[in-house]
Amino acid sequence: QQQVKQSPQSLIVQKGGISIINCAYENTAFDYFPWYQQFPGKGPALLIAIRPDVSEKKEGRFTISFNKSAKQFSLHIMDSQPGDSATYFCAASRGSNYKLTFGKGTLLTVNP
Amino acid sequence: NAGVMQNPRHLVRRRGQEARLRCSPMKGHSHVYWYRQLPEEGLKFMVYLQKENIIDESGMPKERFSAEFPKEGPSILRIQQVVRGDSAAYFCASSSMTGTNTEAFFGQGTRLTVV
Repeated sequence: QQQVKQSPQSLIVQKGGISIINCAYENTAFDYFPWYQQFPGKGPALLIAIRPDVSEKKEGRFTISFNKSAKQFSLHIMDSQPGDSATYFCAASRGSNYKLTFGKGTLLTVNP
Repeated sequence: NAGVMQNPRHLVRRRGQEARLRCSPMKGHSHVYWYRQLPEEGLKFMVYLQKENIIDESGMPKERFSAEFPKEGPSILRIQQVVRGDSAAYFCASSSMTGTNTEAFFGQGTRLTVV
C-alpha cells in the first residue's frame, strides 16, 4: 500500500518557469511533510518541510502549499534554473524526522 | 565537519554471498537510520539505531537482514545470502536528535548489485 502518491513522474520546464510537483497522502496521522532533493549519485537532501498547522511555507524560490482537507501538498519552484534539475521526493511522517514514507519521486529537468 | 560517510559506494555480490554496508554518522550524531531505495521507487525506512541499541526495526525484512551500531566504529547493515531482489541503493542518515525539528542528513549511499 503506497501511502504517499507523487506526480508527475517526470517534468520538463524551461528556465525561468514554475515547476509544480504534487503529493497526496492517506494517513491522517501524518504531521510532518518534507521535500527532498536528490542529485545523481548523491543522497537526498532536505529542501523544505511543513507541518499541517500552516497552509503555505516559502523559502527563497521554493514554496510548499498544504491542503489538509484534501490530504495534498505540493512543491512550487519559482524561476526554475538548470541547477534545479534533480529528482524531488515528497515524504511524510508522524512525529519523527526519520520514519519517513516517501513518494516515488519526480525527475525534474530545467532546460536552459 | 564531514558529512555522513558510507562505504563502499558500490558493491557487487554473487547470489548467496554476504554484503556488509558501513555508515559513519556525522560528528556529534548518535542517531542512525537506514533506508533502501529500489529502482524507480522512493526510499523505504528500514531501521533506526542508537549506540549499541536497535530502537525501531519495523522496516527490516524478517530474514537475512541485520543492523548494528556498536559503541565504537560505524553502523553496519548486513545482508546474508543475498538474492537478486536485494539489488538496490542503501542510504544511511544520521541526526543529533529525533523529532521533526531536527534534520536527518543522508549519506551518498551504497549501490548493491547482486549478480
